[in-house]
Amino acid sequence: KNQVEQSPQSLIILEGKNCTLQCNYTVSPFSNLRWYKQDTGRGPVSLTIMTFSENTKSNGRYTATLDADTKQSSLHITASQLSDSASYICVVSAYYDMRFGAGTRLTVKP
Amino acid sequence: DAGITQSPRHKVTETGTPVTLRCHQTENHRYMYWYRQDPGHGLRLIHYSYGVKDTDKGEVSDGYSVSRSKTEDFLLTLESATSSQTSVYFCAIKSEGTGELFFGEGSRLTVL
Repeated sequence: KNQVEQSPQSLIILEGKNCTLQCNYTVSPFSNLRWYKQDTGRGPVSLTIMTFSENTKSNGRYTATLDADTKQSSLHITASQLSDSASYICVVSAYYDMRFGAGTRLTVKP
Repeated sequence: DAGITQSPRHKVTETGTPVTLRCHQTENHRYMYWYRQDPGHGLRLIHYSYGVKDTDKGEVSDGYSVSRSKTEDFLLTLESATSSQTSVYFCAIKSEGTGELFFGEGSRLTVL
């Protein structure tokens, strides 16, 4: 069964610190993996997309990694800011299927 | 902005009443989706459309129907709302070039 698991469920860090969010999946056959950021009360917005052949992709202070062999991805946030407080959702696509993780709720405190 | 709007943004209704949520796009994309988002769950697909009058069920379609009479509008209808349908509903459109989903701002529905 195609599934996406994210960890941790929630995370609190201090402003300026780094953090890493995890995504494990069983979606097959793999097409691509996206990380979305969802601010409270808003719709999700895409941060990065990774295909099978890519293992690292950056978008500013956000760096996503992908290990297609172990079916794991991570999202690393560097020098966190208060505006990074949001839910981060991992979305894995198969050819005709798209599965969403439940998200990690990140809170950045001053 | 991706040119996608949802209405209403908030609605409170009573069990047994019909409810229709509207999704409107200005991007002329073929694919449109309705998801629901509940605590502890990922976004779950209710129905999707791949063209005018072309729709199909998602994983949680029971109790919901959809219609797409124009490219720009995708309607989600709850014929007889139940408390289990209290949720936040998101509409999304897909860019066929990149495969990226663009989401609306969500419609929060409370069924009392």
